[in-house]
Amino acid sequence: DSGVTQTPKHLITATGQRVTLRCSPRSGDLSVYWYQQSLDQGLQFLIQYYNGEERAKGNILERFSAQQFPDLHSELNLSSLELGDSALYFCASSLLAGEVDTQYFGPGTRLTVL
Amino acid sequence: AQKITQTQPGMFVQEKEAVTLDCTYDTSDQSYGLFWYKQPSSGEMIFLIYQGSYDEQNATEGRYSLNFQKARKSANLVISASQLGDSAMYFCAMREAEYSSASKIIFGSGTRLSIRP
Repeated sequence: DSGVTQTPKHLITATGQRVTLRCSPRSGDLSVYWYQQSLDQGLQFLIQYYNGEERAKGNILERFSAQQFPDLHSELNLSSLELGDSALYFCASSLLAGEVDTQYFGPGTRLTVL
Repeated sequence: AQKITQTQPGMFVQEKEAVTLDCTYDTSDQSYGLFWYKQPSSGEMIFLIYQGSYDEQNATEGRYSLNFQKARKSANLVISASQLGDSAMYFCAMREAEYSSASKIIFGSGTRLSIRP
């Protein structure tokens, strides 16, 4: 158990809908990362938040947005869903206090868009 | 642009043998970090080992060691005395700007390791 929690574990929805994925980082970690893992694209970095602020952006679509709240949990919002958005979405956290540190991953949320 | 290459899509190894998973990387940064993660069939991503670009010694964590050859830009994972539970997908990853709080991480395409009893 990495200490990172993600809810829900599974999500099935229809095209055009909007969903919210939630992540709670390990206790004490300030940084949260979101990744998408799909069969055709592999593991793709989406976005990073550090202590409530956006710090780095990867291949995140405009239909997707994220935020990190004062209690450091994070939410990833996916809207106008398409079939191709079906994937495993991971959240990871790290301490990131200006040092090299390791990202620990949550169990993931499997999103299926029908 | 930074890039991670894992050239072995799949590998079969006999139990108790050592195995080396290849990883090469490309970056223009002087400072970066290299990671290996394991993803079993259950789907979670498990951190295995980390190597910083300025670390002079190869990283080791139990049965895992990282064979870091900076000049060749390779960071191979070595698993000694493989076990059936090592069967999984293995990902090599890199983070540029090692000491930056805004650096991105990219992953290779992975190697599926299967351990034969």
